[in-house]
Amino acid sequence: QLQLQESGSGLVKPSQTLSLTCAVSGGSISSGSYSWSWIRQSPGKGLEWIAYIYHSGSSYYNPSLKSRVTISIDRSKNEFSLKLDSVTAADTGMYFCARDIRLGGMDVWGQGTTVIVSS
Amino acid sequence: DIQMTQSPASLSASVGDRVTITCRSSQSISSYLNWYQQKPGKAPKLLIYGASSLQSGVPSRFSGSGSGTDFTLTISSLQPEDFATYYCQQSFNTHRTFGQGTKVEIK
Repeated sequence: QLQLQESGSGLVKPSQTLSLTCAVSGGSISSGSYSWSWIRQSPGKGLEWIAYIYHSGSSYYNPSLKSRVTISIDRSKNEFSLKLDSVTAADTGMYFCARDIRLGGMDVWGQGTTVIVSS
Repeated sequence: DIQMTQSPASLSASVGDRVTITCRSSQSISSYLNWYQQKPGKAPKLLIYGASSLQSGVPSRFSGSGSGTDFTLTISSLQPEDFATYYCQQSFNTHRTFGQGTKVEIK
């Protein structure tokens, strides 16, 4: 059974870089035509897609975040990662990783990790 | 980008009620429409993919319909565990977008 687990910096100072990793277990990140997504949710707000990446390394970004976001994949570690530069309080929230199947939705999610931007 | 608009933003219903949530896209997305359920403090759960296909393990009281720009999620008989927030999401475009959510509350 595929499982995803987020980890990374829970408290980040303004203007610094947020770094998160999603570890994939119970299956290979390189199998199939899946993509691997990051999604976030500000407190009390809706879901916002951030980016996704294929095992080939092809990646796509939310235009509103593209200038600050980098998504990467490490097939040897079976994980993918997110970096968000120049964070502000507006980047505070819950960050989720998920497997994304274009014709099948985001069918497997991590439990989420809380990120707080504060000095 | 494709904008997704859900209605209503919230609704109050009783156990046993039939509930319908609507999602409209700003341009045609064929059937690339997915529905999720989210409970407080939890990750979203995929309910419906491809506009009308029921995800494995999801109760049959959930159903989806529509294509093009107009879509519907229906809960045929609301159960206590269904009180949650529901989101639609399009996967037609390389840039994924979600609706703003519909909160289903107890009347």
